[in-house]
This record gives sequence, C-alpha cells and structure tokens, in this order.
Amino acid sequence: AQSVTQLDSQVPVFEEAPVELRCNYSSSVSVYLFWYVQYPNQGLQLLLKYLSGSTLVKGINGFEAEFNKSQTSFHLRKPSVHISDTAENFCAVSGGGGSNYKLTFGKGTLLTVNP
Amino acid sequence: NAGVTQTPKFQVLKTGQSMTLQCAQDMNHNSMYWYRQDPGMGLRLIYYSASEGTTDKGEVPNGYNVSRLNKREFSLRLESAAPSQTSVYFCASSGRQGSTEAFFGQGTRLTVV
Repeated sequence: AQSVTQLDSQVPVFEEAPVELRCNYSSSVSVYLFWYVQYPNQGLQLLLKYLSGSTLVKGINGFEAEFNKSQTSFHLRKPSVHISDTAENFCAVSGGGGSNYKLTFGKGTLLTVNP
Repeated sequence: NAGVTQTPKFQVLKTGQSMTLQCAQDMNHNSMYWYRQDPGMGLRLIYYSASEGTTDKGEVPNGYNVSRLNKREFSLRLESAAPSQTSVYFCASSGRQGSTEAFFGQGTRLTVV
C-alpha cells in the first residue's frame, strides 16, 4: 500500500518570502510523485510531477520540488511567493505496489500568503 | 477543449434520496476516478476504472456505486443518501498507468439534509 503524509496543514508566509511545503511518502516500490494546487472553489491542477530522471523538477508558477529517495520525501519550494499563490496544495503518489491506477493524496497544506 | 466535465455543480438531497453524478472526459483517457474531498481529509478515492469495462473499489466505497458507461463516461450513484455523504465530489481521468497527470473536473458540491 502507498501513503502520503503532508507534515503541515497550514503554512502562512509573507509576500516575497521563500516557502517549503513538506511531503513524505510510503511505498515499497518505485513511485510517481505529484503536487497539485487547488484555488478556492476550483478543481485541482498539476503543479509538477516526478516520474524518473533528475531529482529536481520544475513546475508552473515558479514552483519546484526535489525527490529524495533515501528520505522518501518530495518537498515543494518556491523562492519568492506572491499573494496569488494562496491555495490548498496536495502531494500525491501513484504507481507503487501494483496500484498503478490509484492516485493517493495527502491531506493537503493550505498556503496563505500575506501582504 | 472541455477536459473533464461534471454535472451537476451543486445539489441538495434529503436523506434517503438517490442521485447520479455524471462525468465525461474528451481526452481519450483510459482511466477514470471518483474522489470525495472533506475538510482536513484531503481527497479520498471512492472508485476507479482502470479501463473501459472495469471498475474497482477505492478507499471509501461504501454507499456508492459506479458505472463506466463507455470510454468517455463514468458515473457515481448514491442509492440512499446519508448526511455523511455531504462532500465535494471530483471526477478525474488519466491517460496511462498512473504515470501521467490526472485531470480533474470542477467538482460537485453535494449537501444531504
């Protein structure tokens, strides 16, 4: 079975500050990792994904994440946030343990950017 | 380019009533999913369909049934709605075995009173 733990339910930051949203996963086999963003009253959209290759992946809106296999982590970072980055962010995993078709989500981290 | 379309967007049901949530995708994806989103719980998988003609239970299937009508459409049915099923429901689709991104609909906000 696979699982995802997002260590912070809320992360408040000031505009133009850096931010890191933490994600740890559990799986006994290779996985694919994703970060999704949900703006208020909207569906989810993909920020970035790790399938294989370089452990540092870049996504939309200046976000990036680093896959660390030894620490089973996939933390999301942005060097300078904007008010418009305020949103719920979800880490997700798929592909492990024969569950190729199931995308398992963490409970989410609400990023709030204050002026 | 519609992507994933869910209907309805909002619904209020009385306890014991039934309803079907509709989902259609126009991206020729094989896999489709139904999730529910509750505060502090993230998204939990209700049912999924890896390909046309197959469906499987996810994490929270009790009280729900699904039908993969064809490659485009995947419906979710509540036979006898309960207040615990008050939630936001999302349909999603993806192209291949978990390795490509999932595309989500805009959600259905369901209230059971």
